[in-house]
Amino acid sequence: QVTLKESGPVLVKPTETLTLTCTVSGFSLSNARMGVSWIRQPPGKALEWLAHIFSNDEKSYSTSLKSRLTISKDTSKSQVVLTMTNMDPVDTATYYCARIRRDPINAFDIWGQGTMVTVSS
Amino acid sequence: EIVLTQSPGTLSLSPGERATLSCRASQSVSSSYLAWYQQKPGQAPRLLIYGASSRATGIPDRFSGSGSGTDFTLTISRLEPEDFAVYYCQQYGSSPPVTFGQGTKLEIK
Repeated sequence: QVTLKESGPVLVKPTETLTLTCTVSGFSLSNARMGVSWIRQPPGKALEWLAHIFSNDEKSYSTSLKSRLTISKDTSKSQVVLTMTNMDPVDTATYYCARIRRDPINAFDIWGQGTMVTVSS
Repeated sequence: EIVLTQSPGTLSLSPGERATLSCRASQSVSSSYLAWYQQKPGQAPRLLIYGASSRATGIPDRFSGSGSGTDFTLTISRLEPEDFAVYYCQQYGSSPPVTFGQGTKLEIK
């Protein structure tokens, strides 16, 4: 069974750095046909893709947030880590990690349950 | 960046009716890279359709996708009570590689 689970702080202060961890099971981060993305959703709003990483360490970032994001992986631990610097209250959201499958699916087929992060002093 | 615009924003229908949801892209999107998701309150999104028209594993055949280029459609042939949710389209492949539409809320009339 494939699962992804997000973990990290529930509350962060403005200007702090957020570090989120996605722990996967049921597949390997070394699988060339799969990657992991981070996606967020502010309360009552739409989904926003943040970043992804693949087995060959190929990384991509949201254009608007690129300067604040870093994604990395530890294949041996089956973990993908996202850091976001200079947090602001507008970054309050549920943060999801999701598996992305390459051809022929090219979509997010398995999602974590999400973790709610609130930015407040 | 490819912008996906979904319409309508809210669709009010009754169980048993047919639902047609639209997703329009600001630039042409390869059909191979257009997906649809369903999201219910308090839950993560669920993949419904990939490659514009292929149903994901376990998705009932009342859900179908179609379209090409800049215009894509998700159709639910006969609405069941559990189908009332928010639906998102998503494209993968252009730079930045992923964008989502703003969502269509399907509510019970």
